[in-house]
This record gives sequence, C-alpha cells and structure tokens, in this order.
Amino acid sequence: AQKVTQAQTEISVVEKEDVTLDCVYETRDTTYYLFWYKQPPSGELVFLIRRNSFDEQNEISGRYSWNFQKSTSSFNFTITASQVVDSAVYFCAPQRAGSYQLTFGKGTKLSVIP
Amino acid sequence: EAGVVQSPRYKIIEKKQPVAFWCNPISGHNTLYWYLQNLGQGPELLIRYENEEAVDDSQLPKDRFSAERLKGVDSTLKIQPAELGDSAVYLCASSLGDTNNEQFFGPGTRLTVL
Repeated sequence: AQKVTQAQTEISVVEKEDVTLDCVYETRDTTYYLFWYKQPPSGELVFLIRRNSFDEQNEISGRYSWNFQKSTSSFNFTITASQVVDSAVYFCAPQRAGSYQLTFGKGTKLSVIP
Repeated sequence: EAGVVQSPRYKIIEKKQPVAFWCNPISGHNTLYWYLQNLGQGPELLIRYENEEAVDDSQLPKDRFSAERLKGVDSTLKIQPAELGDSAVYLCASSLGDTNNEQFFGPGTRLTVL
C-alpha cells in the first residue's frame, strides 16, 4: 500500500513570493510514479506533472519546479513568483507502476494574497 | 478538445431519496473513474471502467451505490437510498487505456443530503 503525507494543511503567501509545497510518500514498490494535481475553487483537478521513480532530475516548467529526492521519499513542488491564480488545493499522489490507482493525500491549500 | 463533462453540478436531496450523476469522458478515453471527495480530503476511487466493463469496484459500497457504462462512453453513478453521510463531491475522470497515464477530471457534482 502507498501513503502520502502533505504536512502543510494551509499556506498563505503574498503575491510574488516563492512557495514550496511538501510531499512525502511511502511505498514498498521499486518502480512507481508520482503525480501533482491542482484543484482550483471551480472543482476539477488539473494535472500538473508525472514523474517516474527512475528519473530523479528536477524539472522546471515556467514558474513551477519539482524537486524529487528518492533518498528522502520526497517530491516537493515550488511555485516561483506566486500569483493569485495559483490559489488552489494541491495534491501529491503516488501510483504503483502498472497501476491505475492514485493515492491522494489531504492536499495543501495555497492562498496567494494580492 | 472538450474536457470531462459532469452533470448536475449541484444536487440537494432529502435522505432516503435516490440520486444519479452523469459523466461524459474525453473522446477516445476508454478508462473512466468515479471518485468520492469528502470535505478537506483527497479523492478516493469508487470504481474504474475499461470500456463498458467495471474492472475495479472493490471500493464501491454496493448496498446503495451502483454504476453503469452501457456503451463504453457515458457513465452514470447512482445512490439509492441516499444517507446523510453521502454528502460529498463526486468526481468523474478519464484517461487513455495504458497504466500510469494522467487522469483528466471533471468539475464534479456536489451532493448535499438533508
């Protein structure tokens, strides 16, 4: 079974500040995937990134970046120069290789204040 | 390209009444998921379809919940009779058939049982 911990329940930042959302996962699988989703107030979850366990390179996409540390079972997400539109609940979700099942945590609610 | 469509967006019913939710996945996505999301929690899988076949319904409370995907496209999730504890958001998602693909979510149906 897989487990994910997003220790930060709620975070508030002022617009243009950088913010890092933490994700710590537990898995007995040697091969797995990690996902991040964003859930804005409108309700639908929006896919942000998928990373497999063999690829530990950090990734940057515009203002978003991800830091995957297999040694500490963490897959943290940083938003640079935050904007009000980044306000949402963010979910990290591990998934066993060859599976369809996503294991969602409780998420981190990010509020970006203008 | 149209996203996952769900209706209704909101539903308020009295306990013991039946209720149904409808989902139209992204065209070409043969895998369809129904999730339950309680307030302050991440989504939890209820059932997964591959085309018209329910291949994982292990977490569906079958005494009161049922689902169908008759032609392998649209799907309906039903609750009969509804209980107070069923108040939640019901999310539909779809993906291409391979494992570990990103799932695309609809906006959900927010159910309130009085």
